[in-house]
Amino acid sequence: DVKVTQSSRYLVKRTGEKVFLECVQDMDHENMFWYRQDPGLGLRLIYFSYDVKMKEKGDIPEGYSVSREKKERFSLILESASTNQTSMYLCASSPWDSENTEAFFGQGTRLTVV
Amino acid sequence: GQNIDQPTEMTATEGAIVQINCTYQTSGFNGLFWYQQHAGEAPTFLSYNVLDGLEEKGRFSSFLSRSKGYSYLLLKELQMKDSASYLCAVRDSNYQLIWGAGTKLIIKP
Repeated sequence: DVKVTQSSRYLVKRTGEKVFLECVQDMDHENMFWYRQDPGLGLRLIYFSYDVKMKEKGDIPEGYSVSREKKERFSLILESASTNQTSMYLCASSPWDSENTEAFFGQGTRLTVV
Repeated sequence: GQNIDQPTEMTATEGAIVQINCTYQTSGFNGLFWYQQHAGEAPTFLSYNVLDGLEEKGRFSSFLSRSKGYSYLLLKELQMKDSASYLCAVRDSNYQLIWGAGTKLIIKP
């Protein structure tokens, strides 16, 4: 059974803290993605990665950074958490040749910044 | 700009049929996906369309018209477990997924 695992389901952090969200996939996928999901808005892409040590900015990268040191792991970093980063964060992965194959999602991390 | 439109919420009765529409305006088109997302859970893949026409998969079917920028997801013989949000996503010319806000489907007995 294929799996994308996010390290936490729920997190509460204080404004200004550095926050790490971890994502691991066991499918040997090349592509990995970080999205945030807010009510009334579609999934918005923060960053993605096509390969180890590779990263590309998505639509809303401000205030975030990422790290991909190993193929199976993609980390999202909030350098200095702010209340407007309270959201559901979803990690996804897909194979390189993803013409007609879907992305697989983790269960999500609901982050609250107080 | 790029845009995906879906109704915010729909209500249907157990055992009935419901059609969830999705219209899109994107820079290029390389396929359309439908995902199901139960509350508090990850989105899971339902269907993929890249050519015009109907794709059927059990109780679920998805239709695409590229010339109209339009798709729908058809759910038959509705069950209570079908209560979820349904997300439409289009892959654009850069092979990036553009997501709609999702349609919350409420099933009543």
